[in-house]
Amino acid sequence: GAGVSQSPRYKVTKRGQDVALRCDPISGHVSLYWYRQALGQGPEFLTYFNYEAQQDKSGLPNDRFSAERPEGSISTLTIQRTEQRDSAMYRCASSFSFNGQGGEKLFFGSGTQLSVL
Amino acid sequence: GDSVTQMEGPVTLSEEAFLTINCTYTATGYPSLFWYVQYPGEGLQLLLKATKADDKGSNKGFEATYRKETTSFHLEKGSVQVSDSAVYFCALSDDLGLMGAQKLVFGQGTRLTINP
Repeated sequence: GAGVSQSPRYKVTKRGQDVALRCDPISGHVSLYWYRQALGQGPEFLTYFNYEAQQDKSGLPNDRFSAERPEGSISTLTIQRTEQRDSAMYRCASSFSFNGQGGEKLFFGSGTQLSVL
Repeated sequence: GDSVTQMEGPVTLSEEAFLTINCTYTATGYPSLFWYVQYPGEGLQLLLKATKADDKGSNKGFEATYRKETTSFHLEKGSVQVSDSAVYFCALSDDLGLMGAQKLVFGQGTRLTINP
């Protein structure tokens, strides 16, 4: 597609429920990232993939959070047994490649606003 | 760990005013530095970047210079427009070699409002 697409745009759930957030990166982009952004703060890194391989998940807060990208394209971030503190904007980003230069441009989606009641 | 500190907002200016948004960082290595902009209802967009000391990034009239001696990357624009109203994020990324990644560390963001 033309940009990074995330769905749903808004998700309201009850505490204890599981949620799945979807990210569809720009076609052909190798790297895919998940960030979480609390209100009034900058995004915080959660995890990233190169192709289908999860390269780093050091930013996932605990084992209730998991992510997958089975075919190297669409990715799903799953939060099990949601808690109120999980409420935030979850942002996905993709980039064309990884090159170690630190200069590859990230393209961000509009995010999924998660509210846990 | 690495961190980015940005000027507290919100910032309100009149059109054609001079803009400076301060950004300082702490990093163990030699990071790349970025400014991202977020317009209402949209995702973050890369505004400019600098990958080594003394580099100047520029785009759309905005500039920022990578100052290693002061660990700063202040954003400037000589004459702002109403359309520049947005939230601005300073960020850094450490080079991870061949498996390098954009594990960006962001500042808290600065909301800028330009009045006509």
